[in-house]
Amino acid sequence: TQLLEQSPQFLSIQEGENLTVYCNSSSVFSSLQWYRQEPGEGPVLLVTVVTGGEVKKLKRLTFQFGDARKDSSLHITAAQPGDTGLYLCAGANGNTGKLIFGQGTTLQVKP
Amino acid sequence: DTGVSQDPRHKITKRGQNVTFRCDPISEHNRLYWYRQTLGQGPEFLTYFQNEAQLEKSRLLSDRFSAERPKGSFSTLEIQRTEQGDSAMYLCASSLVGTGGNQPQHFGDGTRLSIL
Repeated sequence: TQLLEQSPQFLSIQEGENLTVYCNSSSVFSSLQWYRQEPGEGPVLLVTVVTGGEVKKLKRLTFQFGDARKDSSLHITAAQPGDTGLYLCAGANGNTGKLIFGQGTTLQVKP
Repeated sequence: DTGVSQDPRHKITKRGQNVTFRCDPISEHNRLYWYRQTLGQGPEFLTYFQNEAQLEKSRLLSDRFSAERPKGSFSTLEIQRTEQGDSAMYLCASSLVGTGGNQPQHFGDGTRLSIL
């Protein structure tokens, strides 16, 4: 069974601080997707990483896919209150595309 | 807006009743997925379709659950004889078929089911 362990589960920080969220598995995924979810809404895709060692940047967010394609990280620089939300990593099955999600990281950024 | 839409957004029903949810995917997407999400957790895969064919069902999907995608466009998810444990957010997502599983999935805003 493929599992994704996401840490930390909860994070409360002050505006301007940096943070990193980790997503780890013993399984290899063909790709890994990061989503952000607001209460009462569906997950919104932030990025897809496909190649081992790949790094993608989205403004203040930096995403990295591990060399072995088993783990990933999300780093946020100078967090802002608008970054508050649930961050989800999800590994994709290469044949079916179905996603295995981590438990999520609830981020609260205080002004 | 031509994103994934789900209906209804909220459903409250008594235990033992049947409920049906609808999902309209992005029109050119041939894959459609159903997930279930409970509070504070990530979504869990339930089933998926490629065009009208249901290709995989999770063990989470008991025989009280049935999903259809009759014309390869919209999909319905029915739960018969609902139980307290069925209370959750039911999410639908769609994508194109791609190689390596790297086609992004686009999610609807879900149907929140509450069983009284």
